[in-house]
Amino acid sequence: GAVVSQHPSRVICKSGTSVKIECRSLDFQATTMFWYRQFPKQSLMLMATSNEGSKATYEQGVEKDKFLINHASLTLSTLTVTSAHPEDSSFYICSARTGVGTEAFFGQGTRLTVV
Amino acid sequence: AQSVTQPDIHITVSEGASLELRCNYSYGATPYLFWYVQSPGQGLQLLLKYFSGDTLVQGIKGFEAEFKRSQSSFNLRKPSVHWSDAAEYFCAVGVTGGGNKLTFGTGTQLKVEL
Repeated sequence: GAVVSQHPSRVICKSGTSVKIECRSLDFQATTMFWYRQFPKQSLMLMATSNEGSKATYEQGVEKDKFLINHASLTLSTLTVTSAHPEDSSFYICSARTGVGTEAFFGQGTRLTVV
Repeated sequence: AQSVTQPDIHITVSEGASLELRCNYSYGATPYLFWYVQSPGQGLQLLLKYFSGDTLVQGIKGFEAEFKRSQSSFNLRKPSVHWSDAAEYFCAVGVTGGGNKLTFGTGTQLKVEL
């Protein structure tokens, strides 16, 4: 199947700094990428939908100025957590799909710890 | 808005026993339905999906699921569980509008006793 690579897999940062997470589709072009957040022992909560070349669509309650999403190419989307705080510590997962009605392929996730 | 319910938070089965994980969805039209598996600290792997056609779908690792429109269900089954199947299982529904985003259930944690 298609491969989605997420980097880094783990990151620890100091409170107040920014962290960038990359999501790459390695062998297909992803017109749409999704960013999810998963709290311990909970389900995935969609944060935003990212379409190549356009602004991301954020879900209700997600601060777009805090979670900056860029989808500059058909194979790369980035999530930047700005001015991170300990409550931003979580597992962030991206997924990518090629088009309408197609399955989503998930990255391996990024464990963010803000200290 | 669509929603997914996985009634069982935890399930424990003995190795070799059969397994059924329940999933109910709420959506006005025919949805796209998915089952994913997640190992600790890992991303999600697709087990199987239903888009249309045959309501009994076969997936990887010996899993299957049946779409029952009358019951709004998409239960996951496996005839004989292996210890390596222990993981978290998520049912998800995708809809044609809204950019095809997925809505996930809360997950079922499967424990396999040897």
